[in-house]
Amino acid sequence: GQSLEQPSEVTAVEGAIVQINCTYQTSGFYGLSWYQQHDGGAPTFLSYNALDGLEETGRFSSFLSRSDSYGYLLLQELQMKDSASYFCAVPPSGSARQLTFGSGTQLTVLP
Amino acid sequence: NAGVTQTPKFRVLKTGQSMTLLCAQDMNHEYMYWYRQDPGMGLRLIHYSVGEGTTAKGEVPDGYNVSRLKKQNFLLGLESAAPSQTSVYFCATEAGTPYNEQFFGPGTRLTVL
Repeated sequence: GQSLEQPSEVTAVEGAIVQINCTYQTSGFYGLSWYQQHDGGAPTFLSYNALDGLEETGRFSSFLSRSDSYGYLLLQELQMKDSASYFCAVPPSGSARQLTFGSGTQLTVLP
Repeated sequence: NAGVTQTPKFRVLKTGQSMTLLCAQDMNHEYMYWYRQDPGMGLRLIHYSVGEGTTAKGEVPDGYNVSRLKKQNFLLGLESAAPSQTSVYFCATEAGTPYNEQFFGPGTRLTVL
């Protein structure tokens, strides 16, 4: 099977930088995805890492280390609108298309 | 373009009743998924489809059935609802790109009394 671990809650202040970690266990790894979900809303895709290293998209970056089965989402210049839940996800063993999601990290941005 | 839509948005059922949730997409995506999300938890895959006429079981399929008669629609059925099926249900689609980007509908909030 597969499992993902991420912190349940993170709090930071506006303008700060926050890192949300994710460790995973799966065989046949394809890539690590990140999704954002605001309260009452639908998840939206943020990023995908298939190879080791850092991928940057604006204020958000995502990192992957396949040898450590570890990744993180880095949010810079935090804004109040970044308060949301963030989920890491990996395809389950033997599949490249489905996703297994972590339990999510609730990020609260304080003024 | 509407993207991914779900019908209904809210529903209250009594134990033992049946209902069908409809997911419709105008993105021409091959892959479609049904998830449930319980408070404080991630999404769990119920059933999925890799194309018109196909369905497969996900992580938590018991108590649910699905059909994909048309490429644009993916139906989720509850034959005999139970309180344990109280949840928010999300439909998602995916084009089959290498980066697995899934597009989610707005969700259906279901309460079973």
